[in-house]
Amino acid sequence: EIVLTQSPATLSLSPGERATLSCRASQSISSNLAWYQQKPGQAPRLLIYDASNRATGIPARFSGSGSGTDFTLTISSLEPEDFAFYYCQQRSKWPLTFGGGTKVEI
Amino acid sequence: HVQLVESGGGVVQPGTSLRLSCAASGFSLNTYGMHWVRQAPGKGLEWVAVIGYDGINKNYGDSVKGRFTISRDDSKNMLYLQMNSLRGDDTAVYYCAKDKTSYSHTDDWFDPWGQGTLVTVSP
Repeated sequence: EIVLTQSPATLSLSPGERATLSCRASQSISSNLAWYQQKPGQAPRLLIYDASNRATGIPARFSGSGSGTDFTLTISSLEPEDFAFYYCQQRSKWPLTFGGGTKVEI
Repeated sequence: HVQLVESGGGVVQPGTSLRLSCAASGFSLNTYGMHWVRQAPGKGLEWVAVIGYDGINKNYGDSVKGRFTISRDDSKNMLYLQMNSLRGDDTAVYYCAKDKTSYSHTDDWFDPWGQGTLVTVSP
C-alpha cells in the first residue's frame, strides 16, 4: 500500500497569508495525486487532480505542484473560507489511499 | 445538476449486516465509476470500494475485502454497499462519490461527494 504523509499536521496562519501544504508518497506515483478540502460537518470537495489541475469552480489562489514522491498544495492568499482540513489522495496503485490531513487554522 | 444522497446508516451490533444506498441524480451510474469512502469520527478518509462504469470491475480496501460488497441498480440509478460481519472499527460516516471522468477505468478522482450517512457499530 502506498502511504501518503502530509505535513504539517496543523498550519496556523492569518487571512491574506500564503499556505504551503506538503504530501509525500512512500513510492513514486508520477502525477497521480489529488487534493481535497473538507470543512467541519461537510463532505470533502475536489480541489486539484493530476497533481496540478484545478477542478471546476476552484479559485485560482489554489495551485498544486510536484511529481514522483513530493507534492505541494499552495493557497496564495488565504480567504476566511479556506480555513479547513486538506487531504491528498493517490490513484497510482490499489488500494487508493489518502494522507492523514493538514488542518489550516487561524 | 449532479447530486448524491446516501441513506441506510444507523446503530447496529457487531457481527450484523447493513446495506447503504446512494441515490444518484443528474447523471447515469452506468457512465461513471462510483466509490464508497468512509471517515471514522474525528479521523481521516479511507477509501472502501469502487465499481466501474461497466458494473463489472470492482475493487475493495483491504479492511473490508470479503465482508463488504458494492453493487448498483441502473434502472433505479442507485448505488449500494452491503456490509456484513460489521465490527467496531467500521464505525464511520460513509460517503458515496462519483468518478470525475466518464467511461474511465483509471480516473479514481472523487467528484462530487454525497453528504454521508453515519454507521455506528456498538454492542
